[in-house]
Amino acid sequence: KQEVTQIPAALSVPEGENLVLNCSFTDSAIYNLQWFRQDPGKGLTSLLLIQSSQREQTSGRLNASLDKSSGRSTLYIAASQPGDSATYLCAVRDKIIFGKGTRLHILP
Amino acid sequence: DAGVTQSPTHLIKTRGQHVTLRCSPISGHKSVSWYQQVLGQGPQFIFQYYEKEERGRGNFPDRFSARQFPNYSSELNVNALLLGDSALYLCASSLWDTTNYGYTFGSGTRLTVV
Repeated sequence: KQEVTQIPAALSVPEGENLVLNCSFTDSAIYNLQWFRQDPGKGLTSLLLIQSSQREQTSGRLNASLDKSSGRSTLYIAASQPGDSATYLCAVRDKIIFGKGTRLHILP
Repeated sequence: DAGVTQSPTHLIKTRGQHVTLRCSPISGHKSVSWYQQVLGQGPQFIFQYYEKEERGRGNFPDRFSARQFPNYSSELNVNALLLGDSALYLCASSLWDTTNYGYTFGSGTRLTVV
């Protein structure tokens, strides 16, 4: 049974710092991995989608990597801003399985 | 182009009642999935539909049912509501029932059972 774990559960960093969020999964036979952002009480906004054959994807200040063999993905956020404060969720597919998320708070 | 739309946005129901939640996918998307998210947890998979057929079901009781219409919109029905059904219900659509495409989520329906 696929399990997805995100560490840390919560993170506070000063504005401007670079940071890394971690996601691990137990079954490496995934089709793709997707990172989402969720603001309090809101739906999910897709940030990056990495296919199983890819190693990384980049969008602006965000970079996501995928290592299927070790069952790990990281989301790198460069030059963090207060607007980046949200919960970040990773999910693996076939039937999309989510981690519990990392609550990120950027301190102005 | 409109994104995934869900209605209603908020709903309060009494234990034992029935509820219907609605979802309209992005135009051209034929796959719709439903998720339940309780506070502090990641979303949990409930159902997936593609071309009006159920393609997957999560570990939820038979009180939960869903269907997809010819226009690819979808309904999630929950019977005999329990307090524990209080959650944010999310709908997601995808272009095809393949794994090459990601999901786009709606803003969700906040269900409170009292």
